[in-house]
Parts: sequence; C-alpha cells; structure tokens
Amino acid sequence: DIQLTQSPSFLSASVGDRVTISCRASQGFARYLAWYQQKPGKAPKLLIYGESTLQPGVSSRFSGSGSGTEFTLTISSLQPDDYATYFCQHFTTYPLAFGQGTKLEIK
Amino acid sequence: QVQLVESGGGLVTPGGSLRLSCVASGFTFSDHYMIWIRQAPGKGLEWVTYIDDSGTTIFYADPVMGRFAIFRDNAKNSSYLQMSSLTAEDTALYYCARSLLNGDDVFDLWGQGTMVIVSS
Repeated sequence: DIQLTQSPSFLSASVGDRVTISCRASQGFARYLAWYQQKPGKAPKLLIYGESTLQPGVSSRFSGSGSGTEFTLTISSLQPDDYATYFCQHFTTYPLAFGQGTKLEIK
Repeated sequence: QVQLVESGGGLVTPGGSLRLSCVASGFTFSDHYMIWIRQAPGKGLEWVTYIDDSGTTIFYADPVMGRFAIFRDNAKNSSYLQMSSLTAEDTALYYCARSLLNGDDVFDLWGQGTMVIVSS
C-alpha cells in the first residue's frame, strides 16, 4: 500500500507569499496525485489532480507538480481565502490514501 | 442543486451498528463511482470504502473490512454504508463523495458529513 507524507505539517505565511507544500509517496508513481483544501467545519474541496489539472473555479495561483515519489502544491501569491488545511491523495490504485495534512496559517 | 446529503449518524455503543445514507441530487448519480471517507475529530482524512457506478466492484480499507458494507441504489440516487461491530476507533465525521466522470478516483463533490460517535 502507498503511504503519503506531507511536509511541513504546519506552515505560517503572509499574504502575498509564495508557498510550497510537499507530498512524498512511499512508492513511485506518475500523475496519480490530487490536492484538496479543507476549511474548518467544511468538506474538502478538490483543487488539482493529475499532471496539474485545475478544477473549474479554482484560482490559477494554485499549481501542482512532481512525479515519482515527490509532489508539490504551490500557491503563487497567498490570499486571505487560502488559509486552510491542504491534503494530498494518490489515486493509483486501491487502497487510496491521503497525506496527514498541512495547516496553513496566517503569519 | 448539485449536492450530496449524508444522514444516519449518531451515538452508538461499542459493538453496535449504524447505517449511513448519502442521497444525491442535481446530477446523474449512476454515472459516478462513490466513496465514503471519514475524519476523526482534529485528524486527517481516511478512505473507508469504494463502490463503482454499477455496484459490482467494491473495495474496503483494512480497518473496516468485514464490519462495514457499502451498497447503492441508483434508482433512489443513494449510497449506503452499513456499519457493524463499531468501536471507539470508528468515531468520526463520515463523508460521502463522488468521483470525476473521467474514471479517475478523484472526488469533486462531497457531502457535509454525518457524525458517528461510538461510546458507552
């Protein structure tokens, strides 16, 4: 089974900063990674999946990259609405797995 | 309105059973794979179970294998999670979610969740 480890677990950043969140897989794979955003009391929201396919309505400030065992979510210029917890998810095969989450907080 | 609405959660004693429901509206339910995911208080996301569009292919996470059962009724636009032999470790907010139409096991629509508390 593939496990995902995100880093950092907590991140403090300011509005306008460029932020990167990493997701490391226990086994390598190509494009089968997705990123979700979750705000307190809300369900997760799909942001990006695959090579870097942005969900409709998601800001182009979000981008994804990587392959093998190292993947990255980048937010190019933090906005107040971006403060949330972010999860990666692989979809290579079942069992699916999520990273433990990265909580992005206001600095 | 395109949405998923879960129900059926509540307080149950250890060893008890519960059935969760997920009702879809605003889209063609039978076109989508469905999953259940849970989130323990203050914790991350844990995939629980998957069912394909026709209900013929099903997967379970190891912690729930043999205790939980997923099924769907496409005529009722509904997915169900039958849970039995519940333990404190099953305490969580349970979400249902639908897959993308392209077959990728990525989930673009989630319900609001239903809380399950296992406690004596």
